[in-house]
Amino acid sequence: DAKTTQPPSMDCAEGRAANLPCNHSTISGNEYVYWYRQIHSQGPQYIIHGLKNNETNEMASLIITEDRKSSTLILPHATLRDTAVYYCIVSGVQGAQKLVFGQGTRLTINP
Amino acid sequence: DSGVTQTPKHLITATGQRVTLRCSPRSGDLSVYWYQQSLDQGLQFLIQYYNGEERAKGNILERFSAQQFPDLHSELNLSSLELGDSALYFCASSVDGALGETQYFGPGTRLLVL
Repeated sequence: DAKTTQPPSMDCAEGRAANLPCNHSTISGNEYVYWYRQIHSQGPQYIIHGLKNNETNEMASLIITEDRKSSTLILPHATLRDTAVYYCIVSGVQGAQKLVFGQGTRLTINP
Repeated sequence: DSGVTQTPKHLITATGQRVTLRCSPRSGDLSVYWYQQSLDQGLQFLIQYYNGEERAKGNILERFSAQQFPDLHSELNLSSLELGDSALYFCASSVDGALGETQYFGPGTRLLVL
């Protein structure tokens, strides 16, 4: 599985868009980009994933560059409850979809 | 609520003991994954089962074993426990482990070995 690089921490004001970057320069053609978050010690929560195209759901948007070497997770209107560790994961082994978690980005939403 | 349940929520035991952690996947999911989260190692994949068969293995110690039963629930057995086994243990499930699937995580079991 390809390795990802994320900033260790970020701050964002409540109500603003939070843009979390992720580099995955060694991603291969069949690997998906996943984003999860973990609030305190709760179970990781799925946010969004994509292969090539940009994706949007009720939680966030995922922008993947054309060369697929990096991506950005966008939380459009951050709230205090979005304070969490965000993990960008690249995964794509057919039938064995283990997720390899890095250190993630600790996002703090400030009032 | 992800639909994945884990029991117990908390477990306190002594070194040398054996414990069993239980996971019930989301309804319809055939694949179950186990992860360990410790302070020094972060979140690590341990093992995956699909429809009762082992599908993939990660950094799982020989003292640890898992199985998935015909009703698709899974158990993770940890034996000869050491202080370093203290961690959060998460179970996740997905439909069948296909490319592009989503894994949904349970709330975890917090294990403390004294």
